[in-house]
Amino acid sequence: GESVGLHLPTLSVQEGDNSIINCAYSNSASDYFIWYKQESGKGPQFIIDIRSNMDKRQGQRVTVLLNKTVKHLSLQIAATQPGDSAVYFCAERWTGGGNKLTFGTGTQLKVEL
Amino acid sequence: NAGVTQTPKFRVLKTGQSMTLLCAQDMNHEYMYWYRQDPGMGLRLIHYSVGEGTTAKGEVPDGYNVSRLKKQNFLLGLESAAPSQTSVYFCASSIDRNEAFFGQGTRLTVV
Repeated sequence: GESVGLHLPTLSVQEGDNSIINCAYSNSASDYFIWYKQESGKGPQFIIDIRSNMDKRQGQRVTVLLNKTVKHLSLQIAATQPGDSAVYFCAERWTGGGNKLTFGTGTQLKVEL
Repeated sequence: NAGVTQTPKFRVLKTGQSMTLLCAQDMNHEYMYWYRQDPGMGLRLIHYSVGEGTTAKGEVPDGYNVSRLKKQNFLLGLESAAPSQTSVYFCASSIDRNEAFFGQGTRLTVV
């Protein structure tokens, strides 16, 4: 069945370093892959998405890479800041599957000063 | 703009009691969703709606009912609460199905 999973539950990085958060997915039919950020006590917030026919998309300080060969998705955060500390979720959407957003279990990113 | 507002923010129920969670959005979004979030399990979709008067089941619909009588409101009902329904519930709305706007969550404890 569909599943979206993350490799590491917790990632610690030094302030100013680049962060890479990884995600594995199993539904090769998914049309979109999306990253969300959830700060403590808040609801998730959209960061960036990528269509399945792309392999890279850049935003402000973030880059999402998609490798369909190995069903792998990553979120790169440049010059990580304390405000980036949060749980990051990858999600996928399959237009043939009711357009539901299916979320992974999340990675906790901790930024050390 | 208030965005997505959930009511209440906290609630404690006894097993067997019923309650309704209210979600209101002021962004004129067509799509609305109810998720539950449990430790280590991410967000799981309970029910969703693609427009006023429509609802559909998500991944974990059992024990819940929903209604979307008005475009701006999406109600989640628990008819007979069970301890397994202890969770944090999030409502979301979207116009672009990739970018959903989430509420602050409702922490529900069933004892």
